[in-house]
Amino acid sequence: DAKTTQPNSMESNEEEPVHLPCNHSTISGTDYIHWYRQLPSQGPEYVIHGLTSNVNNRMASLAIAEDRKSSTLILHRATLRDAAVYYCILKVENQGGKLIFGQGTELSVKP
Amino acid sequence: DAGVIQSPRHEVTEMGQEVTLRCKPISGHDYLFWYRQTMMRGLELLIYFNNNVPIDDSGMPEDRFSAKMPNASFSTLKIQPSEPRDSAVYFCASSWDRTQETQYFGPGTRLLVL
Repeated sequence: DAKTTQPNSMESNEEEPVHLPCNHSTISGTDYIHWYRQLPSQGPEYVIHGLTSNVNNRMASLAIAEDRKSSTLILHRATLRDAAVYYCILKVENQGGKLIFGQGTELSVKP
Repeated sequence: DAGVIQSPRHEVTEMGQEVTLRCKPISGHDYLFWYRQTMMRGLELLIYFNNNVPIDDSGMPEDRFSAKMPNASFSTLKIQPSEPRDSAVYFCASSWDRTQETQYFGPGTRLLVL
């Protein structure tokens, strides 16, 4: 299975931007990069995904390196409610939608 | 839509007992996934269905675990007999029949086997 590497934990201050990195050096041309997050005591929820180009939605932005071997999830203004574990996942086209979760990055937000 | 519904939300049972977890996917979704989450192993995919047919059950830990999807609106994950090491949070998720569609997760069932 395609593998991603993320820092175990990161800290941020409230209302400041947060950049969550992810390395995926073994990514293949058809793998999509997905980000999910899991708030305490809840199921994971979708954040954003992309293939080659940078993506923006109401929750976050996804910046993808030109060689696609790394990506960065950007939360433009962190709030206390953004404290969660963030998972970077490679979704393989020919595996019917399987998500293989790694350990993720635990983000804490300080007021 | 109410989202993915799981029941029960909490289950406490004794070793050796049968446990049945239930999931109702979002209406119209063609894929259904069962995951297990523990501190030691994180989130693991156990099995997934497409149009009620099991596609990949390679994550099912052993024969004590079985999953069924008798129709598009209901799935069960059964553990028989249960063991303390099965204690975990079990999540069900569903998505539309397109590879890149996002998955919607239920709130999970917290299982404790004594």
